[in-house]
Amino acid sequence: DARVTQTPRHKVTEMGQEVTMRCQPILGHNTVFWYRQTMMQGLELLAYFRNRAPLDDSGMPKDRFSAEMPDATLATLKIQPSEPRDSAVYFCASGLVIASLSDHEQFFGPGTRLTVL
Amino acid sequence: AQKITQTQPGMFVQEKEAVTLDCTYDTSDQSYGLFWYKQPSSGEMIFLIYQGSYDEQNATEGRYSLNFQKARKSANLVISASQLGDSAMYFCAMRDMDTGRRALTFGSGTRLQVQP
Repeated sequence: DARVTQTPRHKVTEMGQEVTMRCQPILGHNTVFWYRQTMMQGLELLAYFRNRAPLDDSGMPKDRFSAEMPDATLATLKIQPSEPRDSAVYFCASGLVIASLSDHEQFFGPGTRLTVL
Repeated sequence: AQKITQTQPGMFVQEKEAVTLDCTYDTSDQSYGLFWYKQPSSGEMIFLIYQGSYDEQNATEGRYSLNFQKARKSANLVISASQLGDSAMYFCAMRDMDTGRRALTFGSGTRLQVQP
């Protein structure tokens, strides 16, 4: 049963600390998305990659957030320094895009619940 | 820019009855996809159903169907024969299919509670 995995599932940290969230997309998928969910803003896109290249990170605060894909099996989202307003659930999703084919589904991971005190 | 509007923050339905969750959208794209996701209290996002803007038939997946009215820009989710396990948040989302930008734009969600 192929699934997107995310670690850690829960993270509590203090303001100013670095936070790293990891995502393992489904094997063979070539697109990875990072979304953030808060009560106030709902679900919003932070960044997305295709074939490990960043295609859109316009939703991400550039001064403190960074997203990378060191290899096809790992995506990371880092916050440095973290702030209380970063408290949210961070979802990773993956999908398969093949030119000329209509791909529909993004498979979501279970999310990382981040609390910054 | 794309926008999804879900005007029902919360809905109640009796078990075994049908329920319709509303979704309207706004986009200048000619080709787009519409999605519904379910988020139970455990937090994961579960894909339910997809409708392409050029699909002539309304999409159906088991007890889920999507009532797509393109001229009215609405994509309502219909759940037939509600079950207690259907209690969850439901999100409508859309994605442009022309430019290749695959990220989803989500609505604010509707919390459905199924009552026994």
